[in-house]
Amino acid sequence: EVQLVESGGGLVQPGGALRLSCAASGFNFKEFGMHWVRQPPGKGLEWVSGISWHSRTSVYGESVQGRFTISRDNDKNSLYLQMNSLRPEDTAFYYCAKTSMGGTTYSALDLWGQGTMVIVSS
Amino acid sequence: QVVLTQSPSASASLGASVNVTCTLSSGHSGYAIAWHQLQPDNGPRFLMRLNNDGSHIKGDGVPDRFSGSSSGAERYLTISRLQSEDEADYYCQTWGTGFQVFGGGTKVTVL
Repeated sequence: EVQLVESGGGLVQPGGALRLSCAASGFNFKEFGMHWVRQPPGKGLEWVSGISWHSRTSVYGESVQGRFTISRDNDKNSLYLQMNSLRPEDTAFYYCAKTSMGGTTYSALDLWGQGTMVIVSS
Repeated sequence: QVVLTQSPSASASLGASVNVTCTLSSGHSGYAIAWHQLQPDNGPRFLMRLNNDGSHIKGDGVPDRFSGSSSGAERYLTISRLQSEDEADYYCQTWGTGFQVFGGGTKVTVL
C-alpha cells in the first residue's frame, strides 16, 4: 500500500526539542523530494520544510528557519524533522508529503500522511 | 513571492455544483497549482494538479465529479453533484525554487 505514516509528536515545553519521523512505503522513496507541512489549530496549511531526493538541497519556511532541520534516510525509506527551540506557535498537526514528480524538490504534493500532533505548552 | 488567495467559504445544495477559486498574485498567472481536500480527522488528500492552460491530472481514485479549469490568474475547482462527504476544506498549493505556498483554504458546506 502506498502510504506515509508520521510519528514522534507529543507535548513539549517551550524551548524544548522533538524529532518527527515519517515512514514511507509502496513507492520508490529515494526518487522523490519530500516536505513537511503543518496546520495549527483552527488555521490553514503552512509549508514548513522540504528536502531533495538526494538530500543535497533542504529549504525552510521563514518561521522555522534556524530552528528546524529536515533530513532523510533513503535506505530506511524515512523522512525526519528535528525541531529545536520550540515555541507555542509551533503547536500544530504536522504532515509529511511527497512530491509528484521524481527527481524534483518542488512540485505538487500528491501523497500525504495522517499527521502527528505537536503541542508546545508549559 | 507568490501569494494564493481563496474565499473563506462556499456552499451549495446536495446534488448541485460548487466552484472554489484560487487567485494567483500579480505577475504569477503562469503558475500551475494543486488542489487538496482536508476533511476533519483525516490527512489532506491530493485532488489534482491544474496547469495554467486548464489541463489537469487527478489523483488516484478522485471521482469524476471533481474537475479543474483555469482563466488568467484564476484557478478553479468545480465539484459537481455534491455529496455530503464533499463537505471539507479545500486548499490550493503552488511551488517554485525554494518554496511551497498554500492558499488560506475554502470551507465548502453542503446545504
